[in-house]
Amino acid sequence: AQSVAQPEDQVNVAEGNPLTVKCTYSVSGNPYLFWYVQYPNRGLQFLLKYITGDNLVKGSYGFEAEFNKSQTSFHLKKPSALVSDSALYFCAVRSGRGGKLIFGQGTELSVKP
Amino acid sequence: DAGVIQSPRHEVTEMGQEVTLRCKPISGHNSLFWYRQTMMRGLELLIYFNNNVPIDDSGMPEDRFSAKMPNASFSTLKIQPSEPRDSAVYFCASSFYSLGGSQSYEQYFGPGTRLTVT
Repeated sequence: AQSVAQPEDQVNVAEGNPLTVKCTYSVSGNPYLFWYVQYPNRGLQFLLKYITGDNLVKGSYGFEAEFNKSQTSFHLKKPSALVSDSALYFCAVRSGRGGKLIFGQGTELSVKP
Repeated sequence: DAGVIQSPRHEVTEMGQEVTLRCKPISGHNSLFWYRQTMMRGLELLIYFNNNVPIDDSGMPEDRFSAKMPNASFSTLKIQPSEPRDSAVYFCASSFYSLGGSQSYEQYFGPGTRLTVT
């Protein structure tokens, strides 16, 4: 069965420092992987995806993610964090017919000035 | 595009009342998903439709919950009777899916309906 795990409930970063939010996955076949962000009192917003090709995927708001097949990981990264990046981040993997996504439990990112 | 539209944005009701949540997916999308989000359980998939047909309703908590998609541009999630433990934010999302196609199937979420059952 497809699954995704986010090992950290919370990540704290100082503004200007690089950030990493971790995600590992388990799939049969080729993985379709996604990152979403949720700001307070808002719906989830699509950030980026990996389907095939280059292992480094670039997305919205300066975020990127690195696909590592041997480690079955898809970590979200940003070179320089902003206070406005503080939000809840979800990793997801495609599963089954109809485009269903399996979401991780979410990681709360807190960026302090 | 207006994005996924959900109504109402907030709903406060008393235990035992019927609650109906509404969703209009993005035009052209053929898959629709209903999620529930709580602090305790996180984000849960309740049910999803493809081409207006329910594909997987295994996440629906119990018979008090029902969902319909009468056409490609409208879906409802109904709770009857409602209970305090149903209090949550309910999200609708849509995407495009084509069997054998090359689409990536990212989902686009609505703003959610915050349901409070007292």
